[in-house]
Amino acid sequence: GIQVEQSPPDLILQEGANSTLRCNFSDSVNNLQWFHQNPWGQLINLFYIPSGTKQNGRLSATTVATERYSLLYISSSQTTDSGVYFCAVMDSSYKLIFGSGTRLLVRP
Amino acid sequence: GAVVSQHPSWVICKSGTSVKIECRSLDFQATTMFWYRQFPKQSLMLMATSNEGSKATYEQGVEKDKFLINHASLTLSTLTVTSAHPEDSSFYICSASEEESNEQFFGPGTRLTVL
Repeated sequence: GIQVEQSPPDLILQEGANSTLRCNFSDSVNNLQWFHQNPWGQLINLFYIPSGTKQNGRLSATTVATERYSLLYISSSQTTDSGVYFCAVMDSSYKLIFGSGTRLLVRP
Repeated sequence: GAVVSQHPSWVICKSGTSVKIECRSLDFQATTMFWYRQFPKQSLMLMATSNEGSKATYEQGVEKDKFLINHASLTLSTLTVTSAHPEDSSFYICSASEEESNEQFFGPGTRLTVL
């Protein structure tokens, strides 16, 4: 099956700093989603991005499908950005396969 | 964005009892819903795909007689953990797939503790 790798596994930032999270996947995919899991466990949809670049406020994402990776950029980080960021790819049967996540802590 | 609810948000039960978890898509119809399980500090693992009006498809290693799934309408899927045991304690999360794009939207999860 498709393998999804995320890096870094853990990240500590000072409030106001910028960061880049990476997601590599091992095969062609139908689509890709980025999520933020808050401390209560809720997964929040950040981006649905099969290819190209999208921006939403301080967050942006880029997927290069031909090279099998996606990047999530967080600018001017805030303490509320803390949590786990997951990348998930959609396989040929429309199932989502999740990476192991990046655990982010933003310190005030 | 699309909203998915889950009920209950947490449940504590004795070993041997059955627990039912409901997943509802509130503002869209979902032919397909998914059930995931997440252990502490781990990623989400797909348990089964729930299709409205037909039998669920279970992932390898997931006991279908243990985890009963019913998807009786386009907005409701239920997961019943039968004869729950302490090893079934986990965080169960459902998602619903938006039909045009196949984007998945997730419920807030149900934390199950079996004593």
